Amino acid sequence: DAGVTQSPTHLIKTRGQQVTLRCSPKSGHDTVSWYQQALGQGPQFIFQYYEEEERQRGNFPDRFSGHQFPNYSSELNVNALLLGDSALYLCASSSSQWGTDTQYFGPGTRLTVL
Amino acid sequence: DQQVKQNSPSLSVQEGRISILNCDYTNSMFDYFLWYKKYPAEGPTFLISISSIKDKNEDGRFTVFLNKSAKHLSLHIVPSQPGDSAVYFCAASRDYGGATNKLIFGTGTLLAVQP
Repeated sequence: DAGVTQSPTHLIKTRGQQVTLRCSPKSGHDTVSWYQQALGQGPQFIFQYYEEEERQRGNFPDRFSGHQFPNYSSELNVNALLLGDSALYLCASSSSQWGTDTQYFGPGTRLTVL
Repeated sequence: DQQVKQNSPSLSVQEGRISILNCDYTNSMFDYFLWYKKYPAEGPTFLISISSIKDKNEDGRFTVFLNKSAKHLSLHIVPSQPGDSAVYFCAASRDYGGATNKLIFGTGTLLAVQP
């Protein structure tokens, strides 16, 4: 049973560029959440996708957008990159079934903005 | 506004002894709490959780205690093993059992278990 997978593992971009990160959820999961983890901090919630729609959003600007596909996989897009966007981006998947709130994380994508 | 706080950045424990990691929260609407372990260059790994209707949950060497009146939870690891050395994150969410909700994380505690 494959867990949550993310690609790429590492990415280096320059300021002003755009980036797309990808996530495949754990088998049987239909909900995908994205988190940003800056150095020395805990993960911060960006947004969550369910049934191909954004269901919840954290305190992140519109430069951060996402998409969920019919197979439940998801993309995170960041436009007009800033130096401060350098972080570990984590994808977590979960099931919408009642009583199964645990989110399982992928290994993350390390984004460096120069 | 840090709603979930882990006030100890690091903790060092001898192998075989008990490790106690602490977490405080400010939002009384939180009703589901989780602990994750994170190794360098890996994503957080789920360890154990507890809903607000309980005050204790056990899973092998891991036990989580919840004190709602104090808005405090703790993770006990007994006995501690060198492989437990990692960063431990406390997380909280609202509306347990409903739509899956966002997790609010603390800043983590680095546990070092000395052989």
